Amino acid sequence: AQSVAQPEDQVNVAEGNPLTVKCTYSVSGNPYLFWYVQYPNRGLQFLLKYITGDNLVKGSYGFEAEFNKSQTSFHLKKPSALVSDSALYFCAVSRDSGYSTLTFGKGTMLLVSP
Amino acid sequence: GAGVSQSPSNKVTEKGKDVELRCDPISGHTALYWYRQRLGQGLEFLIYFQGNSAPDKSGLPSDRFSAERTGESVSTLTIQRTQQEDSAVYLCASSPRARGSTDTQYFGPGTRLTVL
Repeated sequence: AQSVAQPEDQVNVAEGNPLTVKCTYSVSGNPYLFWYVQYPNRGLQFLLKYITGDNLVKGSYGFEAEFNKSQTSFHLKKPSALVSDSALYFCAVSRDSGYSTLTFGKGTMLLVSP
Repeated sequence: GAGVSQSPSNKVTEKGKDVELRCDPISGHTALYWYRQRLGQGLEFLIYFQGNSAPDKSGLPSDRFSAERTGESVSTLTIQRTQQEDSAVYLCASSPRARGSTDTQYFGPGTRLTVL
């Protein structure tokens, strides 16, 4: 079975400060890892994904994520937060072989204050 | 180009009634997924269609739930004899090909279902 843990229900950060949204995963085999963002009353929007290669993945809107195999983590980061980044963020995992479900975490609400 | 669209955006129904939710995937996407998102929770996989293959229904919570897809286009999710616990946002996503692969899933805006 595969799973994703997002240990923080909410992350608060001041505008201009760096932000981190945490994600750890469990999967057999090599993981495929994704981050999605959900704005109020909107569907999920793709931010970035890790398939293979460089551990630091760059995505939309200035976000990036670092894959750490030894810690089974895929934390989302941004050097300087914007108020408009306030939204619900979901981490998801699947595995690289055969027929695999995309499993989502419960989500982390990011609140960026002016 | 156009993204995934879903209708209706909101649906309020009475307990025991049947509802149909519609999803129009991105043109050319062979894979289509339905998820359920309950308040304060993550996405719960319901069903997956891939081309002309038999759908994977392993996520459907009960036999009151069913879904159909016409070729590689529109899909409808039907919930019969709705219960209050069916209240949730139902999200549809499509991707160019195989599930769980490197392909990104693109999501629609969702249908918010409220069962009174």
